[in-house]
Amino acid sequence: DVKVTQSSRYLVKRTGEKVFLECVQDMDHENMFWYRQDPGLGLRLIYFSYDVKMKEKGDIPEGYSVSREKKERFSLILESASTNQTSMYLCASSQRGVLMETQYFGPGTRLLVL
Amino acid sequence: AQSVTQLDSQVPVFEEAPVELRCNYSSSVSVYLFWYVQYPNQGLQLLLKYLSGSTLVKGINGFEAEFNKSQTSFHLRKPSVHISDTAEYFCAVSGGSNYKLTFGKGTLLTVNP
Repeated sequence: DVKVTQSSRYLVKRTGEKVFLECVQDMDHENMFWYRQDPGLGLRLIYFSYDVKMKEKGDIPEGYSVSREKKERFSLILESASTNQTSMYLCASSQRGVLMETQYFGPGTRLLVL
Repeated sequence: AQSVTQLDSQVPVFEEAPVELRCNYSSSVSVYLFWYVQYPNQGLQLLLKYLSGSTLVKGINGFEAEFNKSQTSFHLRKPSVHISDTAEYFCAVSGGSNYKLTFGKGTLLTVNP
């Protein structure tokens, strides 16, 4: 089974702090994703990486950055956390393929910024 | 660009009743369509997907969905639900790329005894 793990299930941070969310997948997938999930808004893509050190902005990249130094690990960074970044953050991974490959999701990190 | 509309934000049903969760999409290119389920305090899990071929797609846990190109719909159905089906269900579409998914806002299915 594909396993996607996220470093924390719950985080509480203060406004202005630098926040790191870590994601690790064990299936040698090329693609990795970060989404945020908010009630009534569904999932929105923040950033996407299709290879080590490669990244693309998603729909809502403002206030976030990412890092992918190793194939299995994809980090989301909030440079200066703000209260409007309180949300559920979901990481996903998928194989690179000709057709649309299934995305496999981690359990999520619920972040509260005070 | 593509978009997804899930027509019901909440669907309450009784156990053993049939259910249909509605999803409409818009896209200027050929699409791939997905339904994901999120149980409480968990990540998303794929229920089923339509890539090509038969328009009736069967998934896990007794769910199925029908791709209707003329109506741009991909409704999810189950003939008899269980308490354990209580979850949030997300429809998603991909078109024109092999990675980007656009999700609907979700439908909360609540199965009551």
